[in-house]
Order: sequence, then C-alpha cells, then structure tokens
Amino acid sequence: DAGVIQSPRHEVTEMGQEVTLRCKPISGHDYLFWYRQTMMRGLELLIYFNNNVPIDDSGMPEDRFSAKMPNASFSTLKIQPSEPRDSAVYFCASSPFWDTGELFFGEGSRLTVL
Amino acid sequence: SQELEQSPQSLIVQEGKNLTINCTSSKTLYGLYWYKQKYGEGLIFLMMLQKGGEEKSHEKITAKLDEKKQQSSLHITASQPSHAGIYLCGANTNAGKSTFGDGTTLTVKP
Repeated sequence: DAGVIQSPRHEVTEMGQEVTLRCKPISGHDYLFWYRQTMMRGLELLIYFNNNVPIDDSGMPEDRFSAKMPNASFSTLKIQPSEPRDSAVYFCASSPFWDTGELFFGEGSRLTVL
Repeated sequence: SQELEQSPQSLIVQEGKNLTINCTSSKTLYGLYWYKQKYGEGLIFLMMLQKGGEEKSHEKITAKLDEKKQQSSLHITASQPSHAGIYLCGANTNAGKSTFGDGTTLTVKP
C-alpha cells in the first residue's frame, strides 16, 4: 500500500513567491494533518481536516498560509507571499481516527525561502 | 497549554548498551505516543500508551506511562545502529489537539 505522498520533496524559492505543497493521504483515512518542523519550534500542528472539512486551523501562523482539501485524496498547503522565516520541513499526515495517536506521516517537503 | 519536555536532548551510546529517554508533561496525559524519525524522513509511529501503568513493547523498545499519567519513559535494550534517530513523544491535549516534544537525538556507536 502506498503511504502518504507529498510533493515536492524539496523547494527553493525566493521571498515573495507563492509556494504550494501537495499531499495525497492514505486511502480511507478520514483525518489529514499538516505539520511544520523547525529546529527552533520543533513539530507544530498547523491545521487538520476531517472528511475534507477543516476542523482546527489555529496553528496556521498567518493569513499568508492557507490549506484546502477539495477531495478525500488531495490537500494543498499554500504560502503566499513566502518569507525566509517560513523555511522548514512541512509534513502531511493522515489517520483513520484522530485519537489513536497513530498518524501516518509523509516524508515531508523541505522548503527554503531565500 | 500542555507542554512535553523530553530528556535528554541528545544521547550517544555504544552499541549493545541500554538507554532510557523520558517525556514529562505539564498536565495529565490522555494519550501518550512515541515516534521515531530519521533525518530527512517522516515520523514512524512506535506505540501509544493510554492507561496509567501501561507498558508496551515493540521489538527491543519498551515504553511505559507512569501511574499519574504525567511521564513516560522509552527504554531501548541492547541498542543497535538501526535504533539511531530522533525519538519524539506526542500527546493529545484535552482540547483535542496534538502536541509533540522537541525530540531526543540518539546516536549509537558501532
């Protein structure tokens, strides 16, 4: 079975550019999570969806960040405009339930904003 | 907000040695889970503990949640180079969110 698939794996962009990160969750998983990992702040939950509906986006740092899940097999995290402080590894994870603790993580998208 | 503090931050051990990583919560834990991460890769779920006193094992890795449900320990017996990586504890808060510790970086010297 394919795991959570994220793209791109690496992205280097210049400040001010729009960045779109993509995620395909595991089929049948009703929950999808976006995390950001940095050395300074560790692993932070940005937003999570249940059945394609955003449930909690309180972790989204600013209005420059937006996330969508148009269907059960696809989600995007968009940053517009990007800033150097957005440089991080962004992880997508999915789960059949939110409270089992067992999240299935993708390999992450490493973003560098120059 | 609930915070998870892991100790030590990093650990270097000789292959074959035992080691323990701790995770302490500022509040009662409703579910504590352990993940392992290798550099440049995603997190891999190891196990989840929910009941005070609960202990679970996964190969040579054993985790326990203390009775008061505010601390968990992860113990590796006879460490191997394959155990190297970053170990993170995580928990669900009573607000329905997940939070993670900062991780413990384990290096196993052959």
